[in-house]
Amino acid sequence: ETGVTQTPRHLVMGMTNKKSLKCEQHLGHNAMYWYKQSAKKPLELMFVYSLEERVENNSVPSRFSPECPNSSHLFLHLHTLQPEDSALYLCASSQERPAGLFFGEGSRLTVL
Amino acid sequence: AQSVTQLGSHVSVSEGALVLLRCNYSSSVPPYLFWYVQYPNQGLQLLLKYTTGATLVKGINGFEAEFKKSETSFHLTKPSAHMSDAAEYFCAVSEGEYGNKLVFGAGTILRVKS
Repeated sequence: ETGVTQTPRHLVMGMTNKKSLKCEQHLGHNAMYWYKQSAKKPLELMFVYSLEERVENNSVPSRFSPECPNSSHLFLHLHTLQPEDSALYLCASSQERPAGLFFGEGSRLTVL
Repeated sequence: AQSVTQLGSHVSVSEGALVLLRCNYSSSVPPYLFWYVQYPNQGLQLLLKYTTGATLVKGINGFEAEFKKSETSFHLTKPSAHMSDAAEYFCAVSEGEYGNKLVFGAGTILRVKS
């Protein structure tokens, strides 16, 4: 069982669909993150949750909606996305100390 | 704000040769620095990190990096490249009070030739 698990690994959706990405961490961490990885661009931090409260939202469009029901689970709800939202979405977790982030394997999203 | 510059988007070395991936950072506070590796179709895996203390940091798979404050650098090295080292490598610097929000460089793709 990996430390950070993301589902689904691949998702194809139309611009009018509503879908969700799920992340679960088994490391006992208390902070979770969503990053976006697009081709030829640095990783972009989207959201940070610490102790289940959102502490960072980096000007992400409202068509992305995060949810953190407890310290082990993180969701990213998607609706009315655009083709430019196609990317690899990475979930990560950490403790509240500079130990670094532990990443899942990512969810590859394609918006048609 | 913190930032990271990785010199060279692609680096090619022969198997058995020295690997050197360059990273320079800017930070207004003492930085925490990280190197991650990403294999195709996978997430990022932590190679090594510098927080405090010894400036030469050893990581997994034979990699190491040296924090040089005067040069604002954190270059990644490995004495002898292996075919399995072919991947994309990311340098990152922390920001935030707890050092747990990372700003990443653009990445360097390492190719290992046989």
